[in-house]
Amino acid sequence: EVQLVESGGGLVQPGGSLRLACEASGFTFINYLIDWVRQAPGQGLVWVSRIGGDGTTKSYADSVKGRFTISRDNAKNTVYLQMNSLRAEDTAVYHCARGAAGLDYWGQGTLVTVSS
Amino acid sequence: QSALTQPASVSGSPGQSVTISCTGTSSDVGAYNYISWYQQYPGKAPKVLIYEVSNRPSGVPDRFSGSKSGNTASLTISGLQAEDEADYYCSSYVGASTNVFGTGTKVTVL
Repeated sequence: EVQLVESGGGLVQPGGSLRLACEASGFTFINYLIDWVRQAPGQGLVWVSRIGGDGTTKSYADSVKGRFTISRDNAKNTVYLQMNSLRAEDTAVYHCARGAAGLDYWGQGTLVTVSS
Repeated sequence: QSALTQPASVSGSPGQSVTISCTGTSSDVGAYNYISWYQQYPGKAPKVLIYEVSNRPSGVPDRFSGSKSGNTASLTISGLQAEDEADYYCSSYVGASTNVFGTGTKVTVL
């Protein structure tokens, strides 16, 4: 069974940092790209970042470029999202999702709250 | 990376058909056939309904269909059912390994 489980969310002050993790199971991890998608409370989905299967291709939304860094450890079946210089507008549930036929499997998400 | 434009809400009676539009530009929707549609219930993760404009993953009812014309993609739900009441989002590849989602549409079954 394909599963994606996010962790690492929490409450952080503006300007602070968090590292999210997305642990995958049930499929050959290196064969798939992984996206991060966020959703602020009561708002729509926003694409955040993508990493290719071998970790060499990385991309970011303009709103997080230069502040967020995506990486993966294929030995641990895990993708990370390092989030620095966090702002109130980064408050959201962060989902990771597997890229195949569209984003075909999603995690339940981890809540990041940026507030003083 | 501006969000694709969707109507905020659409509604229909059981058995009717509804269509949700997703309008972008010649740099996103118009340029690529990597258009996906997602259904999301409150508090739940999204689920893919359509990928690459018109393809349905296994398990998705054929009541859901997708199409594209120019810079606008569309999702049609035929034979609307009560369980179709949810939020729907389109998504498009926009080049350089980046994506963008639509603004989202709430479907109400009357």
